[in-house]
Amino acid sequence: EAQVTQNPRYLITVTGKKLTVTCSQNMNHEYMSWYRQDPGLGLRQIYYSMNVEVTDKGDVPEGYKVSRKEKRNFPLILESPSPNQTSLYFCASRDSGTNQETQYFGPGTRLLVL
Amino acid sequence: DQQVKQNSPSLSVQEGRISILNCDYTNSMFDYFLWYKKYPAEGPTFLISISSIKDKNEDGRFTVFLNKSAKHLSLHIVPSQPGDSAVYFCAAKWGTARQLTFGSGTQLTVLP
Repeated sequence: EAQVTQNPRYLITVTGKKLTVTCSQNMNHEYMSWYRQDPGLGLRQIYYSMNVEVTDKGDVPEGYKVSRKEKRNFPLILESPSPNQTSLYFCASRDSGTNQETQYFGPGTRLLVL
Repeated sequence: DQQVKQNSPSLSVQEGRISILNCDYTNSMFDYFLWYKKYPAEGPTFLISISSIKDKNEDGRFTVFLNKSAKHLSLHIVPSQPGDSAVYFCAAKWGTARQLTFGSGTQLTVLP
């Protein structure tokens, strides 16, 4: 089954404690991205990756890092989380040559930073 | 400044009636528009799209209308079913841009 998986699904942490949210896809997609969803703001792109070792900033990259060492994995790293990073996070993937319709989203990770 | 706006955070309709979800945009460069549906505890899934060269696209019970002069699009669901209850996001892109710009979403509740 084609899918994007994220772990953990729920996370409560404290300010400044580094954390990583993992994302993995089994469709051999080149393009992967991270979004955050906040009330009244919709989905905003944090970072995206066109392929292995190729990453770039989205609309709201501050406070986040990503890496793409393998095609299937695209972890999101918060080096020093702050309360304003409390949000619902989605990873997504698609073939780089296809339209946006074929973008697959993961189930989401709900993060609370105290 | 949000370039894609969904001004109604929520909408309730009776089963069997029409649901109309609205979306406005400010960037005249946008040339492709999409609607995504999102159930609780799941990621968004693609629903329907429309190119700026068209003013209407239909897929079963779902129809999207685009009014370029008004920079407005709408999603019509006829007839509405309880399973349509979800958050609906409008999104837009332009040219070969890789990223989508999303609206804030509308929670649709279809009452049985």
